[in-house]
Amino acid sequence: TQLLEQSPQFLSIQEGENLTVYCNSSSVFSSLQWYRQEPGEGPVLLVTVVTGGEVKKLKRLTFQFGDARKDSSLHITAAQPGDTGLYLCAGARNAGNMLTFGGGTRLMVKP
Amino acid sequence: DAGVTQSPTHLIKTRGQQVTLRCSPKSGHDTVSWYQQALGQGPQFIFQYYEEEERQRGNFPDRFSGHQFPNYSSELNVNALLLGDSALYLCASSPDSYGYTFGSGTRLTVV
Repeated sequence: TQLLEQSPQFLSIQEGENLTVYCNSSSVFSSLQWYRQEPGEGPVLLVTVVTGGEVKKLKRLTFQFGDARKDSSLHITAAQPGDTGLYLCAGARNAGNMLTFGGGTRLMVKP
Repeated sequence: DAGVTQSPTHLIKTRGQQVTLRCSPKSGHDTVSWYQQALGQGPQFIFQYYEEEERQRGNFPDRFSGHQFPNYSSELNVNALLLGDSALYLCASSPDSYGYTFGSGTRLTVV
């Protein structure tokens, strides 16, 4: 059974602070994806990382895939209230394969 | 370009009843996956359909079944509903690669 553990589960910070969310597993994934989900909506894909050690940046968000492709992190610089939401990591063993999701990190950014 | 469309958006059923949820994939996507997301948790994979066949299945009982039509749309059927089946049911489509697009989901409440 592949399990993805996310930490922290909850995070409440002030606008302008930095934060990092972690996604860890004992299994190797061929790709790892990060999603953001708002209440009443489905997850929206933020990024896909496929190469060990890969770093991708999306404005103030930086995503990293571990060298061994077992873990990943999401770093947000200067968080804004619009970043509030549920952040989910999900791993796939192969292209087109099922996604195994972590439990999610619920982020609240206070103005 | 319409994304993934799910219907209905909300549904209330009684224990023991049967329910059918529907999904229209994003244009150009031929693979449809279904996920169950309980409140406060990450989505759990139910099954995936490709070329009208169930290609992968998660750890869900036979009460959960599905179908994919020639136009790639899909249905999820749940028989003998239990209170524990109350959840957000998400449909995701992909062109058989890493690019998953999720619908907004169907919120099922079993009373």
